[in-house]
Amino acid sequence: SAVISQKPSRDICQRGTSLTIQCQVDSQVTMMFWYRQQPGQSLTLIATANQGSEATYESGFVIDKFPISRPNLTFSTLTVSNMSPEDSSIYLCSVAAGESDASEQYFGPGTRLTVT
Amino acid sequence: GQNIDQPTEMTATEGAIVQINCTYQTSGFNGLFWYQQHAGEAPTFLSYNVLDGLEEKGRFSSFLSRSKGYSYLLLKELQMKDSASYLCACMDSNYQLIWGAGTKLIIKP
Repeated sequence: SAVISQKPSRDICQRGTSLTIQCQVDSQVTMMFWYRQQPGQSLTLIATANQGSEATYESGFVIDKFPISRPNLTFSTLTVSNMSPEDSSIYLCSVAAGESDASEQYFGPGTRLTVT
Repeated sequence: GQNIDQPTEMTATEGAIVQINCTYQTSGFNGLFWYQQHAGEAPTFLSYNVLDGLEEKGRFSSFLSRSKGYSYLLLKELQMKDSASYLCACMDSNYQLIWGAGTKLIIKP
């Protein structure tokens, strides 16, 4: 199994500012994902982070608001730009366990973001 | 549209058995996953079913019926540490996971 770390673990930010969340994996992985989870809600996929190319965003999420970097196979960042209180959530990165498209995912510990 | 339904909350007694149901409607099917998520922590993988039938893994078992769009997670010999949310997630034809809202399981002594 992959070991995933995220930084920061939590932050309180002011409206209008931006926060970059880092995700580090202890092994090279092909598929990395960024999710958002509101308290008591299901996971919502923001985007798939692709190494060497632009991230693939899900409906309702755009690159200007959530720019993603994937410089190599062990690291990715998600930036939450021009934050508003509606962006308060837990942000999780995950990786696919194997090369198969149907692999289970391992999750990082999450970043708890509060926007005031 | 795509949809995953599971109960919001369940309560069970320590030592007992509990079954958490999940029904799904997705465009295509490439398997169903169950994850456990303790409060304030990340989800952890429990099981994966892609064929009909029961998969047993220790105290936890997962069942799938593709014709009925139905799965359940069975937890036996419940322990207090099993108190958590259990997330059902279905992988559609694009290999994208569609997540349920999770079932909060409360274990009472």
